[in-house]
Amino acid sequence: QKEVEQNSGPLSVPEGAIASLNCTYSDRGSQSFFWYRQYSGKSPELIMFIYSNGDKEDGRFTAQLNKASQYVSLLIRDSQPSDSATYLCAASGGGADGLTFGKGTHLIIQP
Amino acid sequence: EPEVTQTPSHQVTQMGQEVILRCVPISNHLYFYWYRQILGQKVEFLVSFYNNEISEKSEIFDDQFSVERPDGSNFTLKIRSTKLEDSAMYFCASGQGRSTEAFFGQGTRLTVV
Repeated sequence: QKEVEQNSGPLSVPEGAIASLNCTYSDRGSQSFFWYRQYSGKSPELIMFIYSNGDKEDGRFTAQLNKASQYVSLLIRDSQPSDSATYLCAASGGGADGLTFGKGTHLIIQP
Repeated sequence: EPEVTQTPSHQVTQMGQEVILRCVPISNHLYFYWYRQILGQKVEFLVSFYNNEISEKSEIFDDQFSVERPDGSNFTLKIRSTKLEDSAMYFCASGQGRSTEAFFGQGTRLTVV
């Protein structure tokens, strides 16, 4: 059974600080990892994806992947109140088409 | 910017009735997906569709579910005999390749009464 685990939070971060979101996955065959943002009642919105070990930066966002530890993280720099949402980690690969999602971490950016 | 569109946004149906949820994937995408999210729970994969056939399906996708691409643009999910536990948000998604990033539509909220 493939599992993606996230701390459900809420994670409260002051405006302007760095928010750090973490995720672990159980299937070593997973090859691709995705971070989605989901506002309440809305659909998941893709933020970033990462396939290779190491860091990948896109604007205020940095995704980090450590396949040996089966660990994925997302850093959000200069956090804004509009970043307040649930962040979903997802994994794919290992022969599967579909994404396996975690339950999400609820992030609150305090003004 | 291209997007996945879904209709209707909200569907209320009586238990035992059939429903069809509709989606128009992004035009140059090759893989199409249906996911569902029961209120307060995680997003769950239902089925993927590629080259006019089901590529993969989850345990949730039992005989009461079916998918179809009736023409060059639409992608549908049919639930034959709805149950109360089918109440959820249903998301259509599409992607350019297998196991690549998927872009989600705005969802259809299905309420079975």
